[in-house]
Amino acid sequence: NAGVTQTPKFRILKIGQSMTLQCTQDMNHNYMYWYRQDPGMGLKLIYYSVGAGITDKGEVPNGYNVSRSTTEDFPLRLELAAPSQTSVYFCASSYGGFDGYTFGSGTRLTVV
Amino acid sequence: GQQVMQIPQYQHVQEGEDFTTYCNSSTTLSNIQWYKQRPGGHPVFLIQLVKSGEVKKQKRLTFQFGEAKKNSSLHITATQTTDVGTYFCAGPLGYSTLTFGKGTMLLVSP
Repeated sequence: NAGVTQTPKFRILKIGQSMTLQCTQDMNHNYMYWYRQDPGMGLKLIYYSVGAGITDKGEVPNGYNVSRSTTEDFPLRLELAAPSQTSVYFCASSYGGFDGYTFGSGTRLTVV
Repeated sequence: GQQVMQIPQYQHVQEGEDFTTYCNSSTTLSNIQWYKQRPGGHPVFLIQLVKSGEVKKQKRLTFQFGEAKKNSSLHITATQTTDVGTYFCAGPLGYSTLTFGKGTMLLVSP
């Protein structure tokens, strides 16, 4: 099992550009999540999904969009990148809502 | 929204010393989870506590869940350099997600 795979690992974007962060899991987990991590601020939930076709906003959804067309994939879309979106982004999955999360290795994004 | 608060924010110990991090909530938690993140890495799930007063051990790590289910602690006995990292607690946020504390960063000097 590969677990949770995120691509790319690093990316530099210019202000106003768009990009999609990819996340795939091979554990047949129903729940998937996107978090961002800023230094000293812990992990903040952006969006989550409880199953294919179902998504919902987390604590900090503005400037992001997600889709969940399959159980395996949960891409995160950034439209019109802003410097405030400079962060490390983690995708995670779990079998149930309160089961332990498996995290991907993260995407380090810089917006300049 | 519901938050979990962690203290201390940072601790630097000598190898062999003990370490404890605390997690507190203003509301009762149905469960609490602990994660470890090595520098430059991603969070890794350590354990989940569910029962009031529960104590679980993993080698040198001891996890406790308070009687009122509003606080938890992680204690490391005789730290080693491999224990370096940030330890996060996480509690339920709504019915489907977790909210994470800001973490305690542990540095261990040899």
